[in-house]
Amino acid sequence: QKEVEQNSGPLSVPEGAIASLNCTYSDRGSQSFFWYRQYSGKSPELIMFIYSNGDKEDGRFTAQLNKASQYVSLLIRDSQPSDSATYLCAVKSGDSSYKLIFGSGTRLLVRP
Amino acid sequence: DAGITQSPRHKVTETGTPVTLRCHQTENHRYMYWYRQDPGHGLRLIHYSYGVKDTDKGEVSDGYSVSRSKTEDFLLTLESATSSQTSVYFCAISENDRDYGYTFGSGTRLTVV
Repeated sequence: QKEVEQNSGPLSVPEGAIASLNCTYSDRGSQSFFWYRQYSGKSPELIMFIYSNGDKEDGRFTAQLNKASQYVSLLIRDSQPSDSATYLCAVKSGDSSYKLIFGSGTRLLVRP
Repeated sequence: DAGITQSPRHKVTETGTPVTLRCHQTENHRYMYWYRQDPGHGLRLIHYSYGVKDTDKGEVSDGYSVSRSKTEDFLLTLESATSSQTSVYFCAISENDRDYGYTFGSGTRLTVV
């Protein structure tokens, strides 16, 4: 069973702080990694993807990947109350099905 | 969500009745997926399709069937609805490549009473 693990939270940070969200995965054949944001009652929306070891920055978001440790993280700088949501880590399977395996998500609360 | 529509948005049905949910896309993407989302379980794959008439099972496929007769439509049928199938159902589409994530529909909230 291929798994993606996330701490369910909630992770509570003050406005302006850095929020750090973490994810581990079990399938060493995975090649592509995604972070989705999901507001309550809404559908998931893609915010970041990463394929190579290291960091990838997009605005206030930085994704970090360490394939040796099977670890993916998302940093949100200058956190805003509007960032309060559930963040889903997803890993694309290494086979030809291109299925995404999702973690159960981490709930982030940004306190004004 | 742009290019992908789910219907109905909400449905209440009785135990034992068949139910069909529809996903329609205008992006001409090859891959389509049905997920269910439940508290504590995240998104779990029910079935997916990799082309017209080409479908396969996901991790929670029991009690569900799918059909894809056209590129743009992917139907999910609950053959005989049970209370355990009360959930939010999301359809997703993707390019046939590792470099793309999914685009999700707005979801269908199904309640089985």
